[in-house]
Amino acid sequence: DAGVIQSPRHEVTEMGQEVTLRCKPISGHNSLFWYRQTMMRGLELLIYFNNNVPIDDSGMPEDRFSAKMPNASFSTLKIQPSEPRDSAVYFCASSFPQYGQGANQPQHFGDGTRLSIL
Amino acid sequence: GENVEQHPSTLSVQEGDSAVIKCTYSDSASNYFPWYKQELGKGPQLIIDIRSNVGEKKDQRIAVTLNKTAKHFSLHITETQPEDSAVYFCAASNYGQNFVFGPGTRLSVLP
Repeated sequence: DAGVIQSPRHEVTEMGQEVTLRCKPISGHNSLFWYRQTMMRGLELLIYFNNNVPIDDSGMPEDRFSAKMPNASFSTLKIQPSEPRDSAVYFCASSFPQYGQGANQPQHFGDGTRLSIL
Repeated sequence: GENVEQHPSTLSVQEGDSAVIKCTYSDSASNYFPWYKQELGKGPQLIIDIRSNVGEKKDQRIAVTLNKTAKHFSLHITETQPEDSAVYFCAASNYGQNFVFGPGTRLSVLP
């Protein structure tokens, strides 16, 4: 079975440019999560969706970050304009619904996008 | 909000020995505790999880224990092998509403 697919795997761009990270969750998973991983702050939850609806975006660092999930099989995380401090590995994860009787389902992670902002 | 602490931050063991990683959490409402293994260049992969109605769970060489009263849980790896070398993360969640990871433990298994 295909796991969570993220693209690109690596992105190097200059400060001020727009960056778009993409994620395809596992088919049938209704919850999708975006994380950022750095040495200093570890794994941070940025935002998560249930059934394509953003539920909690309190982890999004600032207005330069935005995330969308136009359908059940695709999500994007956009940074505009990008800054050097945004350099990190960004992970997408998906799971069965994290509510009701399906709550507390394990999250399945993609292999991440390593973002470097020069 | 939830806060998860994890110790030690680094751990070196000889091949064949056991490794233990401990986590504590702050939110007594947390009821789901997964453990993830992250290899270089990869995303975290679930290795075992435990829910609050269970005190211990085993899967071959891996076991997890949970003490809800003390709000701590531990990962035990027996008969360690070089391929167990990785970064391990614990996490705590309350019905997915607040999924918080620990800072990670870098485990090195020395041949």
